Amino acid sequence: DQQVKQNSPSLSVQEGRISILNCDYTNSMFDYFLWYKKYPAEGPTFLISISSIKDKNEDGRFTVFLNKSAKHLSLHIVPSQPGDSAVYFCAASETDKLIFGTGTRLQVFP
Amino acid sequence: ETGVTQTPRHLVMGMTNKKSLKCEQHLGHNAMYWYKQSAKKPLELMFVYNFKEQTENNSVPSRFSPECPNSSHLFLHLHTLQPEDSALYLCASSQDRGTGVRYGYTFGSGTRLTVV
Repeated sequence: DQQVKQNSPSLSVQEGRISILNCDYTNSMFDYFLWYKKYPAEGPTFLISISSIKDKNEDGRFTVFLNKSAKHLSLHIVPSQPGDSAVYFCAASETDKLIFGTGTRLQVFP
Repeated sequence: ETGVTQTPRHLVMGMTNKKSLKCEQHLGHNAMYWYKQSAKKPLELMFVYNFKEQTENNSVPSRFSPECPNSSHLFLHLHTLQPEDSALYLCASSQDRGTGVRYGYTFGSGTRLTVV
């Protein structure tokens, strides 16, 4: 059974608007959560992470929110740019192992 | 060259062939990983090496055999594969296992494997 779930396989957002990517998890023992971005024909690239003791982490246009009671993680991208079009994976760590979701394909259109 | 480099980028092999995937990193990292990405599935961890020692084998069939001769190189030896093994195989590295789960892994571009 998947411990990390990204229920939306795709998302389409207009340039300049906010993109919100969601992730749900089942294991309350996860201690870190990470977001990766993947372009076609390239490997995933680390974007941003958050410790389970925090509820928000911000890096430029990217903010990750963690709701532990709901076991829910989200990535906000503001403002969205065409270059943000990619597949986004969330991942969670338990001890020293990363467990990934299936990914959400984000398309930012002009 | 910097980062994580994987060769070949694409590989087509028959079920009776033997081939190897290569991964090389020049980041000074001590942990290296093999992941498998199949269509519409999460990235699946296959093997982990930490300071050249294999520390994780995630119930991977024996037709996949990893090798880590030094901290910069990682191989995945393939033999008698099945068509369902067709996937993108990704190599990654991190400073060590603990750092990796906090600050992320550095991934290579992957090898797209097709078994016919």
